[in-house]
Amino acid sequence: NAGVTQTPKFQVLKTGQSMTLQCAQDMNHNSMYWYRQDPGMGLRLIYYSASEGTTDKGEVPNGYNVSRLNKREFSLRLESAAPSQTSVYFCASTVNRGRLGTDTQYFGPGTRLTVL
Amino acid sequence: AQSVAQPEDQVNVAEGNPLTVKCTYSVSGNPYLFWYVQYPNRGLQFLLKYITGDNLVKGSYGFEAEFNKSQTSFHLKKPSALVSDSALYFCGYAGNNRKLIWGLGTSLAVNP
Repeated sequence: NAGVTQTPKFQVLKTGQSMTLQCAQDMNHNSMYWYRQDPGMGLRLIYYSASEGTTDKGEVPNGYNVSRLNKREFSLRLESAAPSQTSVYFCASTVNRGRLGTDTQYFGPGTRLTVL
Repeated sequence: AQSVAQPEDQVNVAEGNPLTVKCTYSVSGNPYLFWYVQYPNRGLQFLLKYITGDNLVKGSYGFEAEFNKSQTSFHLKKPSALVSDSALYFCGYAGNNRKLIWGLGTSLAVNP
């Protein structure tokens, strides 16, 4: 049981390049989330998927797209990376038996992204 | 607007002393509040949450938090701090609009 896994762990991009951050969970969770963490800004929700087949915008969705590929996988895509997207990205999942957010979230180890 | 505030960027405490990390909230409806901890270069880990029931919530690693409706607070506490408790602590709220709202985090340093 690996929990929540994220790839890659580190990535350096040039402005305008694209990339996809991968996230997978093996806990049979229904909901998955993508966050970014920046110094002084705390944790901000980019997108979430309450259940397989659905995705919704979070607090800072601009410049990102997501795909809930199946129940296990939730990917985050940067189509044209910008320096403002330099951040640490975390994926999380919850079983979501009831109201969103009330169940424990399990986080991946993060992806450190630098956009030059 | 619904929000969660952690008024202290950093808290310093001596090992063995009690510690408090503060969190206040401004929300409508029932407050669903939680605390997570982040150790260096790691993802966040769940500590505890308040959904309903007893105002004193006990969590992992000896931490507890008290929900105080009149003061709109949900402070995290531990009777005796350990150096290994040094980490970044996040308070958060599960909003009515299905959005998750997090505080900016408080860095706890426990000095030997």
